Amino acid sequence: QLQLQASGPRLAKTSETLSLTCTVSGGSVSSSSYYWGWIRQPPGKGLEWIGSFYFSGTTYYNPSLKSRVTISVDTSKNQFSLMLSSVTAADTAVYYCARLDDTNGWSSYFDYWGQGTLVTVSS
Amino acid sequence: DIQMTQSPSSLSASVGDRVTITCRASQTISSYLNWYQQKPGKAPKLLIYAASSLQSGVPSRFSGSGSGTDFTLTISSLQPEDFATYYCQQSYSTPHPTFGPGTKVVIK
Repeated sequence: QLQLQASGPRLAKTSETLSLTCTVSGGSVSSSSYYWGWIRQPPGKGLEWIGSFYFSGTTYYNPSLKSRVTISVDTSKNQFSLMLSSVTAADTAVYYCARLDDTNGWSSYFDYWGQGTLVTVSS
Repeated sequence: DIQMTQSPSSLSASVGDRVTITCRASQTISSYLNWYQQKPGKAPKLLIYAASSLQSGVPSRFSGSGSGTDFTLTISSLQPEDFATYYCQQSYSTPHPTFGPGTKVVIK
C-alpha cells in the first residue's frame, strides 16, 4: 500500500523559506506515468495545486507561485521536497503531498495523499 | 488557466436525500473531471475520475456525469458519513490541475 508522509517545520518566519519533505513508501517516485506533487489548503478554504514533478524529472508549477516555488526529488531516499520562498501570512496552510496517477490514458487524478501538515507563517 | 466553479457552495440535506452538486469549467474539458470528498482534518479522497468512473472502494450511491463544461456529482441516498466537503478538479490541463471551490454538505 502506497503511503506518503510529509515532514518539516510547522512554523516559518515571514520573508523566509518554507521547506517540507514528502517520504514515499510502498512505491517509487521514479515510477513511470506518475506525477508527485504538492497541494495546499489555507484554513477554512479550498485546495490549491502548488506544483508537481514527473518521473522523467520535469517540474511544473502553478503560475501564481512559480517565482517562489522549487520542487526537487531525491530518488535515493524516495523523497521529494517543496521549498517556498519569501513567505507571508497568506502562505499559512495545510500542505499535502500527493501522487497524480496518469496511467489510465484518460483523466489523471490524485489517488494517494499524505496526511497533511499545517505550516504557520508568522513574524 | 482553466477556472472551475461549483454550486451550491453549501447545502443542507437529510439522511436518505438525493443530493446533486454541479461543477462548471471555464472552457471545455471533455471528460477530464474528478471529484473528491474531504472530511474535517483529513486529506481529500478520490470518488470519481474521468467524470463518471467510480474509484475502487467507493460506494455505488456516488455517481458522476457530464462532459464539456458542465458536470454533476450525485449521491443517491445520503448517508451520515457523507457529510463532508466535495471538490471537483479538472485534469484537462495536466500537469496543471485546478480545483473547484468546494461544496459543503451539512445536516439539515
